Amino acid sequence: EVKLLESGGGLVQPGGSMRLSCAASGFTFTDFYMYWIRQPAGKAPEWLGFIRNKANGYTTEYNLSVKGRFTISREKTQNMLYLQMNTLRAEDTATYYCARPLTTTGWFAYWGQGTLVTVSS
Amino acid sequence: DIQMTQSPASLSVSLGETVTIECRASEDIKNGLVWYQQKPGKSPQLLIYATNRLHSGVPSRFSGSGSGTQFSLKINSLQSEDVASYFCQQCDDYPYTFGAGTKLELK
Repeated sequence: EVKLLESGGGLVQPGGSMRLSCAASGFTFTDFYMYWIRQPAGKAPEWLGFIRNKANGYTTEYNLSVKGRFTISREKTQNMLYLQMNTLRAEDTATYYCARPLTTTGWFAYWGQGTLVTVSS
Repeated sequence: DIQMTQSPASLSVSLGETVTIECRASEDIKNGLVWYQQKPGKSPQLLIYATNRLHSGVPSRFSGSGSGTQFSLKINSLQSEDVASYFCQQCDDYPYTFGAGTKLELK
């Protein structure tokens, strides 16, 4: 069974940093692109970016809305996905999800339960 | 970025009725349209991918159609467990973008 479990959310001050983690299990982690998506309360999800699989060199792509502030990485041996967030702003307040596509890449068939990040002083 | 316009924003529904939700893309996304269902406090769940392909375990009362820029999700004989929010998403080009959502509420 595919499982994704995010952690690391909480309250952070504007301008601060936070690292989110996503523990993956139930599938061959290195075979899949992995994605981060966020969703402000009551609003639509927003795709943040992804990290490619081993076959494609673990390279990354980002939404321009977070490029330069957010960094996606993965720890291959421990099946962990990370989202490093810097220079946080109030508008970054949201529930953050990691997600896995149905096949190597594409639409999001599997989502974690999410972790809430609140940026406030 | 490709803009996804979803309508209506909310819909008051009765059990047993047929519901249709529309999604329009700002440019041709071929058949790269996905639908998710989301219940309060839960993560989105994949319903339909590639415009009209039902994800595993999704009831057959759900169906998707369309191509190019116009797409729709249809729910036949609405059940109580279908009362939720629905989002469309394009996966034709990065950044993947979502519609603003449609919230179903019981009359």
